[in-house]
Amino acid sequence: DTEVTQTPKHLVMGMTNKKSLKCEQHMGHRAMYWYKQKAKKPPELMFVYSYEKLSINESVPSRFSPECPNSSLLNLHLHALQPEDSALYLCASSQDLGNYGYTFGSGTRLTVV
Amino acid sequence: RKEVEQDPGPFNVPEGATVAFNCTYSNSASQSFFWYRQDCRKEPKLLMSVYSSGNEDGRFTAQLNRASQYISLLIRDSKLSDSATYLCVVRVGTGGFKTIFGAGTRLFVKA
Repeated sequence: DTEVTQTPKHLVMGMTNKKSLKCEQHMGHRAMYWYKQKAKKPPELMFVYSYEKLSINESVPSRFSPECPNSSLLNLHLHALQPEDSALYLCASSQDLGNYGYTFGSGTRLTVV
Repeated sequence: RKEVEQDPGPFNVPEGATVAFNCTYSNSASQSFFWYRQDCRKEPKLLMSVYSSGNEDGRFTAQLNRASQYISLLIRDSKLSDSATYLCVVRVGTGGFKTIFGAGTRLFVKA
């Protein structure tokens, strides 16, 4: 299995809703990432997990809350989002934090109304 | 100056053409380098890692010039399916924590 699976593929949520994005990989990768991508822009790093521990938080607002329940799963909990948070949210994994390329999931396209 | 800069696009080329993209980086502590391709409304996919000795994968050749701090991607015999955005990615430091994406170069290959 060489895939990163993200659910849901599309999500529309109101500003008062709470929702979660899920990411799963079974490649034995020990580093997992959340990225945010706006149209016609490159991905922007949000969070990095290494061996299930949060390594990097790129000054992301607290309305985004990551969670790594185990080495295969990564969640992103969303609460009280703003319309400007609408974007493609990409999960990625890599073998480790070293010089390895990423495998990206197909993303969750989020619209906040 | 941006940390990673790519050729502005879009590049419009006919099928069969050879096209080259350049990418410059500013941090001399950069350790590893990659090219990704991203199709419209899809996720980025790793195309190739870029090694100091250069590397080739079929029609694609990547090269690294550490002295001048740039990497390049050459696509030979372009196919319609090569149409995509090509992202240059640089990782700084041995921990690989800081990963910087270039803004991407859009390629259109036309019949």
